[in-house]
Amino acid sequence: EPEVTQTPSHQVTQMGQEVILRCVPISNHLYFYWYRQILGQKVEFLVSFYNNEISEKSEIFDDQFSVERPDGSNFTLKIRSTKLEDSAMYFCASTKYKNEQFFGPGTRLTVL
Amino acid sequence: GESVGLHLPTLSVQEGDNSIINCAYSNSASDYFIWYKQESGKGPQFIIDIRSNMDKRQGQRVTVLLNKTVKHLSLQIAATQPGDSAVYFCAERETNFVFGPGTRLSVLP
Repeated sequence: EPEVTQTPSHQVTQMGQEVILRCVPISNHLYFYWYRQILGQKVEFLVSFYNNEISEKSEIFDDQFSVERPDGSNFTLKIRSTKLEDSAMYFCASTKYKNEQFFGPGTRLTVL
Repeated sequence: GESVGLHLPTLSVQEGDNSIINCAYSNSASDYFIWYKQESGKGPQFIIDIRSNMDKRQGQRVTVLLNKTVKHLSLQIAATQPGDSAVYFCAERETNFVFGPGTRLSVLP
């Protein structure tokens, strides 16, 4: 069964450094999403992506964040200058018809 | 206000009993709802969905009920099994998904 994959599973970085989180969505899906989940808290929407552009973004997704789909398979989230409060699980999700979303296993980002 | 999250409501049920997990949503314009299951250290897993033009939908061992009048969603799990132990949360969508804080289901042997 196809699944969303994410790498790395755990990323540790120093405050102020750039990180790139990678996702490979399910191959025939059209809509792609990034979410974050701070430890013990609820899942929060960051950004949605369709047709090679951002379709929606939340207040969390400020100028420090960017997304790219550099080729036909990868979908990346870049945080330019990480802050302590960026520490969280970051989930990628994809869907074919903008309904049922398939989530990846997540990347745990730890900012020191 | 925002949930602290570390003190999720917990529902403990005996194995074999039915479970009912509730969710209050906030946006009366939401037209689509999903229940997710999240096991420790894993990503959310789709369980069942329902559109706002329905009030009940059944899956395998699960039923979702939607009451738009009071903006309430519930998930019923029949014959709860140990493998059902997880955090369950609802998500509502008008344009993008907004997730609830979740309920921890603990299945007792």
